[in-house]
Amino acid sequence: SQQGEEDPQALSIQEGENATMNCSYKTSINNLQWYRQNSGRGLVHLILIRSNEREKHSGRLRVTLDTSKKSSSLLITASRAADTASYFCVSSGSARQLTFGSGTQLTVLP
Amino acid sequence: GAGVSQSPSNKVTEKGKDVELRCDPISGHTALYWYRQRLGQGLEFLIYFQGNSAPDKSGLPSDRFSAERTGESVSTLTIQRTQQEDSAVYLCASSLDFEVGGYTFGSGTRLTVV
Repeated sequence: SQQGEEDPQALSIQEGENATMNCSYKTSINNLQWYRQNSGRGLVHLILIRSNEREKHSGRLRVTLDTSKKSSSLLITASRAADTASYFCVSSGSARQLTFGSGTQLTVLP
Repeated sequence: GAGVSQSPSNKVTEKGKDVELRCDPISGHTALYWYRQRLGQGLEFLIYFQGNSAPDKSGLPSDRFSAERTGESVSTLTIQRTQQEDSAVYLCASSLDFEVGGYTFGSGTRLTVV
């Protein structure tokens, strides 16, 4: 299967804490993207990191990429209840195909 | 349009009937993808279009599934002789090109086969 793996599958934290999610993929990539999906709603693009980048920031989001380990992490700092959602990593390789991870369900408790 | 539009938003059909799902990508987006998301599962790639050609159909689950795209515009996903396991949310996404930026997703079509 080309599907990537997210770790953990579920994460529950208190508001204000940081949340870290990890993602592994199997083939070489051009870029990796993180998306958020709220229950019953569509996917929202969060951030893209290219294969030649190691770290990228966007607001409260920090993404790292380790191509030698074929892994990425998404850090959400100072989490809010509104961050509660499923988070997916999406790897894009030369086959012009997006490969989705299975997702991490994040619950931020007020 | 401003976003990716999918129709219908909900479809309930009887087992054995054919259904057609429509996706209107953002104007100018050359790449278009179809995905399926079953309840409680991640997204499953179905097919990808670059313009009106489909270089990668590897994700289509069976020959009951087919898709077409007119130029760099509307795409339709057709499921023939629907089965209960076809019940899922079908998502469409588009982008300027594979290499450029993120993907914009439609809100999906929720298909229920009874």
